[in-house]
Formats: sequence, C-alpha cells, structure tokens
Amino acid sequence: SYELTQPPSVSVSPGQTASITCSGDKLGDKYAYWYQQMPGQSPVLVIYQDRKRPSGIPERFSGSNSGNTATLTISGTQAMDEADYYCQAWDSSTVVFGGGTKLTVL
Amino acid sequence: QVQLQESGPGLVKPSGTLSLTCAVSGGSISSSIWSSWIRQPPGKGLEWIGEIYHSGSTNYNPSLKSRVTISVDKSKNQFSLKLNSVTAADTAVYYCARRVQTTVNAFDIWGQGTMVTVSS
Repeated sequence: SYELTQPPSVSVSPGQTASITCSGDKLGDKYAYWYQQMPGQSPVLVIYQDRKRPSGIPERFSGSNSGNTATLTISGTQAMDEADYYCQAWDSSTVVFGGGTKLTVL
Repeated sequence: QVQLQESGPGLVKPSGTLSLTCAVSGGSISSSIWSSWIRQPPGKGLEWIGEIYHSGSTNYNPSLKSRVTISVDKSKNQFSLKLNSVTAADTAVYYCARRVQTTVNAFDIWGQGTMVTVSS
C-alpha cells in the first residue's frame, strides 16, 4: 500500500519560514494536499493540488511537489499557525494521509 | 454555507456494529460530490475510511473494506457509516467530510467530529 511520510515535529521561530515535508514514492506524479488541525478542532484544507490555496487561507501558506517530496511552506510564521499538519494524496481510488507533523512556534 | 453534522452512539460494545450518520445542511448531496468518513484515534493521525458518490458508487480503505458499509439517502440529504465487528482499536473521533470532484477535489468541508468509544 502507498505510504506518505512526514517528520513528527518541526519547530520554527515567530516570523521565520517553516517547511514541512511529505515523502512518498513518485509523489510528484500525484497531487498533494495539506490540512491544518488545531487542538480539538476538525482539519482545515490549506493547500490543494500541490500549490493552490482555498479562499480564506493566508498567502503565507504555499506548497510545492516534485520528485518524491511535497512541501508545505509557511512564510512569516505566526503563533496562530501552531498546529498539526497532514499531507494527503490519492493512490488509485484510495485516500492516503501522512502521519502528521506537529508545528511548534517558539 | 454547507455544513456537515455527525450523529450516533458514543459507546459501542466490542464485536458490535458502529453506526453513524452525517446530515448535510445548506446544500445537497448532488452530482460531483463525494461524501467521506475519516477517523482519528486519540492522539493519532487521520485515517480515511471510505466514500460514496451521490449515485451510490463507493470506495473503501482496503484495510477496513471487509467491515465497512457506507450508504447515502438523498431524500434525507444524509449519508451513513456502518463498521462491524468493532474492537478497542476502532475507538476514535469520526469525521464526515465532503469532496467536490470537479473543483478542489479535496476535503474542503468537515463535520465537527463525533467521539466513539468501543468498550464493554
């Protein structure tokens, strides 16, 4: 079965750039999606089809996908961005989620 | 604004069947919309369970396929999940979510989630 691998945790200082990676076999040949989940809340879509932002998502969120790695980048990270982030892709007609990355802003 | 709301028992006995319903308001289960169930065990990550199209076509997570049934009732604008032969490993927050295939093609709207505990 297809697997997506994320680092368990990433730390960033306020105002700096945070990068969260998601690795999978030939992931660049698929679309990658990213979700943000605050504690006790439902996930929120922040990036779809590799690099597109849904309405209402700040411009500081961006995405890329090439080779075996997709990356979620948060520029000028704010304290409010501290959350768990999950990548997602499709393998045939099956949805696959990465294990999640806890972003700490300190 | 489309909203999703899960409902169902919060406690299920081992070997029993977990049954949940997701009510859709502010919109209809219509063409191009896949309706999904996703779960999250306490302190763990997201796991996709499966989805159903408005026509009734389904896709399931291969690891759960033998125990899962997802159905849709367009007249009531809701869809349902049944998971049988449950064990403690099925304890999780269960979310319903929407995917519009022709646009974002991602889970852009989620329910608030409902906690289901499997215990005797």
